[in-house]
Amino acid sequence: ELKVEQNPLFLSMQEGKNYTIYCNYSTTSDRLYWYRQDPGKSLESLFVLLSNGAVKQEGRLMASLDTKARLSTLHITAAVHDLSATYFCAVDIRNYGQNFVFGPGTRLSVLP
Amino acid sequence: DSGVTQTPKHLITATGQRVTLRCSPRSGDLSVYWYQQSLDQGLQFLIQYYNGEERAKGNILERFSAQQFPDLHSELNLSSLELGDSALYFCASSLEGGNSPLHFGNGTRLTVT
Repeated sequence: ELKVEQNPLFLSMQEGKNYTIYCNYSTTSDRLYWYRQDPGKSLESLFVLLSNGAVKQEGRLMASLDTKARLSTLHITAAVHDLSATYFCAVDIRNYGQNFVFGPGTRLSVLP
Repeated sequence: DSGVTQTPKHLITATGQRVTLRCSPRSGDLSVYWYQQSLDQGLQFLIQYYNGEERAKGNILERFSAQQFPDLHSELNLSSLELGDSALYFCASSLEGGNSPLHFGNGTRLTVT
């Protein structure tokens, strides 16, 4: 059974600081997605990572995928309060006859 | 706007009752997924349909059922409701076979009293 772990689960950081959220998964996949969710709202797709070594950047967020290590990272640069949200990674194993599996989410709080 | 439409937005009902949640996928998407999100359980996959057929089943209770209609909209039926069924229920759709993420609707917040 595929397991997806995120680390940390809770993150409180100061504005202007950098930090990285980690997503580890336990089986082979070369497709991984990052989502953002504001409290009580829907999940918004942030990044689509489709191969080993893929790197995507949008504003202060950068995501990467290392399929050999089964690891994806979401790096936050110079955090601002608007980035406060819960971030989920989701591993896509549809190629293996299964489904998407979501991590537990990282709740990020950026303090002024 | 993801293009996925869910109704109703909010639902308040009593224990023992039955409700139906509705979802219209993005235009062109044949797959529909249902997820339950409660405070202490994270995002739980319930069931997936592809072009009218059940494709995958997750942690869906026997009291819950779903279907996808020829026009591709989907309904999730929850019966004999319990307090613990109170949650946000999300529908998502995607292209199948493509490298496409899930696109989520705004969810239905179900409160069972």
